[in-house]
Amino acid sequence: AQSVTQLDSQVPVFEEAPVELRCNYSSSVSVYLFWYVQYPNQGLQLLLKYLSGSTLVKSINGFEAEFNKSQTSFHLRKPSVHISDTAEYFCAVSLYSSASKIIFGSGTRLSIRP
Amino acid sequence: GAVVSQHPSRVICKSGTSVKIECRSLDFQATTMFWYRQFPKQSLMLMATSNEGSKATYEQGVEKDKFLINHASLTLSTLTVTSAHPEDSSFYICSARSGIVRNTEAFFGQGTRLTVV
Repeated sequence: AQSVTQLDSQVPVFEEAPVELRCNYSSSVSVYLFWYVQYPNQGLQLLLKYLSGSTLVKSINGFEAEFNKSQTSFHLRKPSVHISDTAEYFCAVSLYSSASKIIFGSGTRLSIRP
Repeated sequence: GAVVSQHPSRVICKSGTSVKIECRSLDFQATTMFWYRQFPKQSLMLMATSNEGSKATYEQGVEKDKFLINHASLTLSTLTVTSAHPEDSSFYICSARSGIVRNTEAFFGQGTRLTVV
């Protein structure tokens, strides 16, 4: 079975500071990895994903995540955050199948202080 | 990206009544749809997986007769909360994946906030 661990339930940072949201996963087989973002009272939006190839994946709004197979991690980073990045961030895994369910971590609330 | 529409976005119902939530994939065929429940400040808990034309697969601890799922077409799945009680109040989110496009992520609806009074 697969599982996802997000160690930090809340991460407060100042605007324009760098941030890292940690994600570790457990699986006996290869998986796809995702980061989703959820704004208040809304559904989830895909931020970025790792399927194969380059282990460093980037989103259009400055976030990036690096797949580390040896450490079974997929940490999310941004060098300089903005107030608009305030949201809940979920790391997730899925098996190699379009019918596979997505398993979510417990989420990390990123709050940006001016 | 692909669009998944969920309706209604908010619903308030009386205890004992049933509520139906719709999830539609607007621009792709969703062979598989998932229903999640999210409690305040918590993660998404998978309730069930539905495949078009077949019975849904429920996660352990989810009452099949309480949460009826129908996936009658490739673009529509419905979740009916039967005989709703206040403890069923929650945020329900659906997601859909295409069985045609490989390596696709799941697309999520905007969620339905159910309040049972």
